Amino acid sequence: GENVEQHPSTLSVQEGDSAVIKCTYSDSASNYFPWYKQELGKGPQLIIDIRSNVGEKKDQRIAVTLNKTAKHFSLHITETQPEDSAVYFCAAQAITGGGNKLTFGTGTQLKVEL
Amino acid sequence: EPEVTQTPSHQVTQMGQEVILRCVPISNHLYFYWYRQILGQKVEFLVSFYNNEISEKSEIFDDQFSVERPDGSNFTLKIRSTKLEDSAMYFCASSDDEQYFGPGTRLTVT
Repeated sequence: GENVEQHPSTLSVQEGDSAVIKCTYSDSASNYFPWYKQELGKGPQLIIDIRSNVGEKKDQRIAVTLNKTAKHFSLHITETQPEDSAVYFCAAQAITGGGNKLTFGTGTQLKVEL
Repeated sequence: EPEVTQTPSHQVTQMGQEVILRCVPISNHLYFYWYRQILGQKVEFLVSFYNNEISEKSEIFDDQFSVERPDGSNFTLKIRSTKLEDSAMYFCASSDDEQYFGPGTRLTVT
């Protein structure tokens, strides 16, 4: 089955700096890669996603890149703000018409310091 | 903005008891899921449900677990005889394309 690795496990940046979180996946059939933000005591919130026919996608301060050959994808947050502090999870999905389950990475605790 | 809702937010139960966790998915979504997250760990897939039947389940989803869509709006997860290791956050999600998660139910088994 699919295995998703995520690094780093913790990341501390100064407000205004950029943050980068990286994930690798194992199943070449995976073709959809969402990123979720989880604040304390809440459910995962979808913040951006990318499909395998695209190499990069941007939404304001957030961008995601995908390298299908190397089987890795990354989340980039620019101009970080204190409210960006949360746990971020990457995930991978093979949309095969079956269960469409998401396989999650182990999470990155991002702390944005003033 | 439509959202997935879950009840209760926190459930405490004794080992061996049955619990039912409830979810109301987003109304026009056709796919429904349950995931769990043990404290401090990653989110793990349990089961997906489409067209009134299970479409996929993980090895965690053994015979003590069941899901049901009893009416047009609710989606439930039943754990027949809870164990200490079932203590976790349980998230419901629904999708038409992207998956949207509810706020979760914290299950504590004592």
